[in-house]
Amino acid sequence: EAEVAQSPRYKITEKSQAVAFWCDPISGHATLYWYRQILGQGPELLVQFQDESVVDDSQLPKDRFSAERLKGVDSTLKIQPAELGDSAMYLCASSLNPYEQYFGPGTRLTVT
Amino acid sequence: AQSVSQHNHHVILSEAASLELGCNYSYGGTVNLFWYVQYPGQHLQLLLKYFSEDPLVKGIKGFEAEFIKSKFSFNLRKPSVQWSDTAEYFCAVNAGSSASKIIFGSGTRLSIRP
Repeated sequence: EAEVAQSPRYKITEKSQAVAFWCDPISGHATLYWYRQILGQGPELLVQFQDESVVDDSQLPKDRFSAERLKGVDSTLKIQPAELGDSAMYLCASSLNPYEQYFGPGTRLTVT
Repeated sequence: AQSVSQHNHHVILSEAASLELGCNYSYGGTVNLFWYVQYPGQHLQLLLKYFSEDPLVKGIKGFEAEFIKSKFSFNLRKPSVQWSDTAEYFCAVNAGSSASKIIFGSGTRLSIRP
């Protein structure tokens, strides 16, 4: 069964450092999402791509976060500089239609 | 703005007990509603969805949810839980448009005593 791949699974970084996460969606899924899930809360959408175009980044802290999906396939989410409050699980999801999203295992980020 | 409330943060039940997890949303227009589940060590996955058809929706593994528009609720139910139902359950809402994002609730952790 096809799955969304994410790496790394765990990342520990010091504040003010740069960190990057990678996501490979299910083949053929044009829509890709990045979510942030803080402990004890539900996932919150950071950015949504349709192919290589951003369709929603209203909740992305653009002063430190960036996301790209250059060829409309895999995607990278970057944080620079990382802050203590960025500690969270970062989830990637992909879909053929917006109502059935397939989630990856996530990257757990700890900022010290 | 849309929002979703799940008032039960942690529910503990014995096997064979009946389950009902509460979910309320705030949005006055047409909505699509979802329940997602995350089993220990696994990915978040869709359990069931409501798309303006029959208000009683049946999902996988014997789960069902009822949409009550007058109460802005979409509670999840299962008549008899199993130990394998131990997981975190998230209710989510989308404002009835493919262009609208899905808003998740804070989740309910369900623990089943064997």
